[in-house]
Amino acid sequence: EVQLVQSGAEVKKPGESLKISCKGSGYSFTSYWIGWVRQMPGKGLEWMGIIYPGDSDTRYSPSFQGQVTISADKSISTAYLQWSSLKASDTAMYYCVRPRNGGDNYFDYWGQGTLVTVSS
Amino acid sequence: SYELTQPPSVSVSPGQTARITCSGDALPKQYAYWYQQKPGQAPVLVIYKDSERPSGIPERFSGSSSGTTVTLTISGVQAEDEADYYCQSADSSGTNVVFGGGTKLTVL
Repeated sequence: EVQLVQSGAEVKKPGESLKISCKGSGYSFTSYWIGWVRQMPGKGLEWMGIIYPGDSDTRYSPSFQGQVTISADKSISTAYLQWSSLKASDTAMYYCVRPRNGGDNYFDYWGQGTLVTVSS
Repeated sequence: SYELTQPPSVSVSPGQTARITCSGDALPKQYAYWYQQKPGQAPVLVIYKDSERPSGIPERFSGSSSGTTVTLTISGVQAEDEADYYCQSADSSGTNVVFGGGTKLTVL
């Protein structure tokens, strides 16, 4: 069974750094892209970017380029989303996603979400 | 940047048919996908490649495409279908994934 299990909720202060994780299991981690989706409180879904763990090919949405870093450690089947300096506007639920098949750009599998709260 | 446009809300009575539209210039060239999100839950894929239904999704959910508009149709709406629905596609290059703004379906 394919599973994406995300790290737990975080409460941080503005200016702090953060790295959240998404561990894949039940499939060949290096053979499927893993993406990240933001959902701000009471708002819609926003595409952030995607990584192919097999070769670390990473593509960012123009809206998030330079704002976050997506990475993966294939040795432990885990993808990451990180910030170097958080802002209050980064407060949101973050989901990792995996496509049904390798070349697809739609997402059958979603993590449970990681709530990030940034507040002074 | 490329955008997909959805109505903010749709309301129907139980047993009626709900139709949720999604418009975008690249939809004639790119497939559309639909997700259902209930409060406090992660989204669930309900339609892929414009009109295909994943296993486990009730037959009352269907999708169609015409030009620059795709439509999610829920026939015989049930109370449990009350949720937010998001369309998703890609820009004309196929490179950038895009979500619509979401539609809140209210079952009266």
